[in-house]
Amino acid sequence: DQQVKQNSPSLSVQEGRISILNCDYTNSMFDYFLWYKKYPAEGPTFLISISSIKDKNEDGRFTVFLNKSAKHLSLHIVPSQPGDSAVYFCAASEWGNAGGTSYGKLTFGQGTILTVHP
Amino acid sequence: DADVTQTPRNRITKTGKRIMLECSQTKGHDRMYWYRQDPGLGLRLIYYSFDVKDINKGEISDGYSVSRQAQAKFSLSLESAIPNQTALYFCATSDTGQGRAGELFFGEGSRLTVL
Repeated sequence: DQQVKQNSPSLSVQEGRISILNCDYTNSMFDYFLWYKKYPAEGPTFLISISSIKDKNEDGRFTVFLNKSAKHLSLHIVPSQPGDSAVYFCAASEWGNAGGTSYGKLTFGQGTILTVHP
Repeated sequence: DADVTQTPRNRITKTGKRIMLECSQTKGHDRMYWYRQDPGLGLRLIYYSFDVKDINKGEISDGYSVSRQAQAKFSLSLESAIPNQTALYFCATSDTGQGRAGELFFGEGSRLTVL
């Protein structure tokens, strides 16, 4: 049972337009959400995050929106650039405990391949 | 040089062989993780370690073992590789001091093919 789902395997967008990547989750214990970006032959890199006490977080061209009641978050990229073409992973964090140590346990979505055409 | 280095980057092996994937980091982080990526399944946690004497199973640890030889080194072993362990494997680190941020720093990945 996947607790974090990215239902769109791929998205194609024209340069300069908006890219909207979506993510749904089922676990109410998730209280922190992150987006990672992955280029071919590289590891994922952190992009942007949002706490569950907020509904929006913006960083330059990237904005993440959180709708807790719908258990849905989205990443908006405006304007989209060809260099944004990558796989985007949504991740959700809940408190975990391992041997008495608390940590942010991450669960990842399946990823969405974004292609931005010049 | 990469802060999180994985070796080998690519490996083809046969069913039943023992394989070790190695990870070393220069970020000074105390927490290290092994993930695997499969198409349509995203990233799934295999094992994680919060310090040299700490090892924890993730969601898909069966068929794998790990060793934390030093703060900077975390190895993943497949004792007897099978074809469904064909995947892209990532090592990652995080800093305890980040608290709830949960940000992971990933290596470049090790692509393993089991024939």
